[in-house]
Amino acid sequence: GQQLNQSPQSMFIQEGEDVSMNCTSSSIFNTWLWYKQDPGEGPVLLIALYKAGELTSNGRLTAQFGTTRKDSFLNISASIPSDVGIYFCAGGSTNAGKSTFGDGTTLTVKP
Amino acid sequence: GAVVSQHPSRVICKSGTSVKIECRSLDFQATTMFWYRQFPKQSLMLMATSNEGSKATYEQGVEKDKFLINHASLTLSTLTVTSAHPEDSSFYICSARDPQGGGETQYFGPGTRLLVL
Repeated sequence: GQQLNQSPQSMFIQEGEDVSMNCTSSSIFNTWLWYKQDPGEGPVLLIALYKAGELTSNGRLTAQFGTTRKDSFLNISASIPSDVGIYFCAGGSTNAGKSTFGDGTTLTVKP
Repeated sequence: GAVVSQHPSRVICKSGTSVKIECRSLDFQATTMFWYRQFPKQSLMLMATSNEGSKATYEQGVEKDKFLINHASLTLSTLTVTSAHPEDSSFYICSARDPQGGGETQYFGPGTRLLVL
């Protein structure tokens, strides 16, 4: 089946630093989605990407849909303590009828 | 954004009982919903795809007689854990696919924490 490699697995950064995480796959996806999950809650959609090459921002977050359709990255600028959580990427495939999720990147921000 | 609710948020039950979890899309119609299971510090594990008006599609290794899924309307899917045992204790999360959102955009519910004693 389709698999995603999400990296890094975890990050420990200082407040104010920028963060970058990415997902790669050997499969092509039609959609790339980025979610954030806080402890004990469901994932919340941050950014949805629908076209190869698309670059989309949501406040301090920026994500891009790779031109090969096999990868995506998420950047967070000027991190703050509330950015702490687990970030998941998901590749959506119309043929598969479902999305494939990465294993997550756990972000810790030190004040 | 699209809102998905889940009920209950937390349930404790005795071994051998059945537990039903509801997933509702509040402001959009979802022909497809998904049920995930998540263990601590792990990713989301897809259990099954719930299709309105038809049988659910289960992932390999998921017992369909153990985890009963019913998608009776365009806004409601239910997951029933039958004859629950302690190993079924987990965080169960549903999501709903928004047909307006590029086809594969999923919105998640807040999750249900199940503890089987």
